[in-house]
Amino acid sequence: GAVVSQHPSWVICKSGTSVKIECRSLDFQATTMFWYRQFPKQSLMLMATSNEGSKATYEQGVEKDKFLINHASLTLSTLTVTSAHPEDSSFYICSARAPASGSHTQYFGPGTRLTVL
Amino acid sequence: QKEVEQNSGPLSVPEGAIASLNCTYSDRGSQSFFWYRQYSGKSPELIMFIYSNGDKEDGRFTAQLNKASQYVSLLIRDSQPSDSATYLCAVPTTGNQFYFGTGTSLTVIP
Repeated sequence: GAVVSQHPSWVICKSGTSVKIECRSLDFQATTMFWYRQFPKQSLMLMATSNEGSKATYEQGVEKDKFLINHASLTLSTLTVTSAHPEDSSFYICSARAPASGSHTQYFGPGTRLTVL
Repeated sequence: QKEVEQNSGPLSVPEGAIASLNCTYSDRGSQSFFWYRQYSGKSPELIMFIYSNGDKEDGRFTAQLNKASQYVSLLIRDSQPSDSATYLCAVPTTGNQFYFGTGTSLTVIP
C-alpha cells in the first residue's frame, strides 16, 4: 500500500515552454501533498504544500506564479512549471501524506527529472 | 542551530558490519521520527519511523530514540553493498511538513 506515482518520469523541453507534472496517490486518499525540488548532490528542498480543495502554501523564495500547483482531488496534485528556463532543470519529487490516525508519514513519488534546453 | 542535523559522511563500512547513522533534533516537543533511504538519482523511500523511546526493529534495521538527549539513530546490521545510499532523517513540523537532515552518505564496501 501507500503508492505514489508521478508522470512523466522525465521530460526535456525548450526554454519558454510550460511543463505539467502529475502526482497521484494510487491506493489512498491524500489530503496533503508536498512538492520538492532537488539539485544534484543537494538536499531535498520543499517548494510547496498542497491541500486538496485549497490554495497551495509556497515556501519562501518559491514563485507561485511560476510554479502553479493544483490539488483538485484527493488523489491528484499537479505542478506546472511555467515559462521554464535552464535554471529550472532539476529533479522534482512529490510526496503524499496519508491522513489516517494523524500519521505524519510521507510517501514519495519516483520523481520527475526536468531538463530545460 | 538547524532543526535536524546529521553527519554528512561519507560513512564507509565493510560488508557484514553494522552501520550506525545518527540524527539530532532541536525541538524537544517532537513526537515522531522518520528514516528514509535515497539511492542516487532516485526519490526517498521510507525505511521506518519511531515514536517511543527505545529501540524499534524491522529486519536488519533498528531505530533508536532517546528523547532526553534529542537524538535518533538508525542501525543497519549485516550491511550489504545494496545498502549504499544516502539516509535522511526527518522530523515533522507543527505544520505537518518535514524537517529533513542533509543526509548521511553510506558506502558498504564488498
